[in-house]
Amino acid sequence: KNQVEQSPQSLIILEGKNCTLQCNYTVSPFSNLRWYKQDTGRGPVSLTIMTFSENTKSNGRYTATLDADTKQSSLHITASQLSDSASYICVVTPGRFGAGTRLTVKP
Amino acid sequence: DAGVIQSPRHEVTEMGQEVTLRCKPISGHNSLFWYRQTMMRGLELLIYFNNNVPIDDSGMPEDRFSAKMPNASFSTLKIQPSEPRDSAVYFCASRAGVVNQPQHFGDGTRLSIL
Repeated sequence: KNQVEQSPQSLIILEGKNCTLQCNYTVSPFSNLRWYKQDTGRGPVSLTIMTFSENTKSNGRYTATLDADTKQSSLHITASQLSDSASYICVVTPGRFGAGTRLTVKP
Repeated sequence: DAGVIQSPRHEVTEMGQEVTLRCKPISGHNSLFWYRQTMMRGLELLIYFNNNVPIDDSGMPEDRFSAKMPNASFSTLKIQPSEPRDSAVYFCASRAGVVNQPQHFGDGTRLSIL
């Protein structure tokens, strides 16, 4: 069983709408939890990094939350744009990767 | 401001051949990571270096894979002999400072073994 589970597997939303992606993990202990955005044909780009003691971190329209008790994290995207169409990958250090959520934003 | 540079961007070769992937990290970064990404398995960490020294190579699939970092500005990942199941996108990433700093990825090498 993968130690990092992401949901949903894919998501389609309309431009301007908000969405939330989920990441559940069983990795313990961990150094940090990271969210990456990966455009097709490109390398992943770091969005947020949270340590065990942090509950929330924002990067522009992206806000990540972390509940270390329930071992859950979420990535909230506000006022989505067409350029948000990408895969979003949750990573729990050391080196455990989720399979990603494929987000498509439609006009 | 140059990011992580990987070469080649694409490689197609026949099984049994030696393949060498190259990576130039961001100047000043002291950690370097090699990853493999496939549809079936997603992203996997293969090996990482800190100050040019391999720290964790537990993700290297088998002895056919080897990685070197002869200096702070260059690393290679070699597959010898290559097999069709090695077909994947291989990413290199570098990081400055400690573990809670972001990793910066290159755009990868798409490897196809026929």
